[in-house]
Amino acid sequence: KQEVTQIPAALSVPEGENLVLNCSFTDSAIYNLQWFRQDPGKGLTSLLLIQSSQREQTSGRLNASLDKSSGRSTLYIAASQPGDSATYLCAVGKGGSTLGRLYFGRGTQLTVWP
Amino acid sequence: SQTIHQWPATLVQPVGSPLSLECTVEGTSNPNLYWYRQAAGRGLQLLFYSVGIGQISSEVPQNLSASRPQDRQFILSSKKLLLSDSGFYLCAWRGGLNTEAFFGQGTRLTVV
Repeated sequence: KQEVTQIPAALSVPEGENLVLNCSFTDSAIYNLQWFRQDPGKGLTSLLLIQSSQREQTSGRLNASLDKSSGRSTLYIAASQPGDSATYLCAVGKGGSTLGRLYFGRGTQLTVWP
Repeated sequence: SQTIHQWPATLVQPVGSPLSLECTVEGTSNPNLYWYRQAAGRGLQLLFYSVGIGQISSEVPQNLSASRPQDRQFILSSKKLLLSDSGFYLCAWRGGLNTEAFFGQGTRLTVV
C-alpha cells in the first residue's frame, strides 16, 4: 500500500523567505505526483503535476522536483508572500487496479507573516 | 475549459436522515470521477471512483453509496446518516491516469 508523508506538518516563516516542503512515498511505481494548495474551508487547487518520467516542473515562483527512485518530491517556493499561506498537499498517482486514484499526504500548513 | 461543480457548499443534517451530494463536470467527456472525504485532523480518504456510467468502485465499506447516472454526473448518497459521516466531501475528476486531477469546492457536512 502506498504511504505518503509530508514534512513538516506546519511551517511559519516571514515574508520573503525561500522555503522547501517535503513529500515522501513508499512505493516508487507511480504514474505521477501532483502538488495542491488548499485554503481553509475550500477545495484543492492544483499547483503542479510531475509525470514519473520528469525530474521537475516550474510554475512562477513554484518549483517541484521528483526523485522517483528514492521516493521523494520537494516543492520549492521562492520569495514567499502572505498570500501563499495555505495547506499544501502532495498526492501520488497510481494506476493498475486502482485506476488512477491519488494517495495523499496530510499536508504542510504554511503561514507566511508580513 | 473544464469546470467542476459541487453542491451544496454546506449542509447540516440530523442523524438518520438521507443524503444526496451532487457533482457535475463540464467541458470534457468520459472523465474519471472521484469522491473523497476529509475529516478533521486526517488526510483525504478516497470513498468511490468511477471510470464510466454505472461503473462504481468503493474503496472502504461504509454507510455511503455513489452513483453515476450520466457521463459527467457523480452523486454521493446515504439512506441514513451517522454522526461519523460528518466531514468535508470533495469531488474530483481527471481525464486519464497521467492527467491532472481537479477538485470541486467541497461540501461541509455536519451530522447532528
